[in-house]
Amino acid sequence: AQTVTQSQPEMSVQEAETVTLSCTYDTSESDYYLFWYKQPPSRQMILVIRQEAYKQQNATENRFSVNFQKAAKSFSLKISDSQLGDAAMYFCAYRNLNSASNTGKLIFGQGTTLQVKP
Amino acid sequence: DTGVSQNPRHKITKRGQNVTFRCDPISEHNRLYWYRQTLGQGPEFLTYFQNEAQLEKSRLLSDRFSAERPKGSFSTLEIQRTEQGDSAMYLCASSLMNSNEQFFGPGTRLTVL
Repeated sequence: AQTVTQSQPEMSVQEAETVTLSCTYDTSESDYYLFWYKQPPSRQMILVIRQEAYKQQNATENRFSVNFQKAAKSFSLKISDSQLGDAAMYFCAYRNLNSASNTGKLIFGQGTTLQVKP
Repeated sequence: DTGVSQNPRHKITKRGQNVTFRCDPISEHNRLYWYRQTLGQGPEFLTYFQNEAQLEKSRLLSDRFSAERPKGSFSTLEIQRTEQGDSAMYLCASSLMNSNEQFFGPGTRLTVL
């Protein structure tokens, strides 16, 4: 069974600084996607960034980038130039691409609450 | 608003009562998912629909839980004989068949007294 682990329950960053959120996962599959989702307080979850496992190049979306280390099964999220609006709970998620069980369901980590200090 | 909608947003019920939640996915999204999220935790998969067919159910979905998606449009999640352990946020998400992005609704927060 696949698992996702986020070992940092809480993180804080000064506005305009950079912060890195950690995520590790366990799988025996070779084809999968990894995601970071953001869940602001009392608001719905939105996708921040995604990474296909077959791609060696790390994904980047504006101020958000990932460090994908497939062999180490590590998938960290870097937020540059942090803004007050980045304050939220961040979830790392895994999706298996094995055709036999490709329902697309997501397996989430426990989440990291990010506080941004002005 | 053309996003995923869920109703009600909040539900308080007494132990032993039945509750039903509704999810309206984004139009033409043929995949629909239900997740459960307890306080301070990540969402856990409950069940998956492809159009009107329920193709996967988690072991978390006990026999008190039932989900339907008639005509492949909206979906309902019913919990019978609610228990205090059912208190959680119930999230619905939808996606297109060939997309890896799921769009989430705002959730229904259930409190069982």
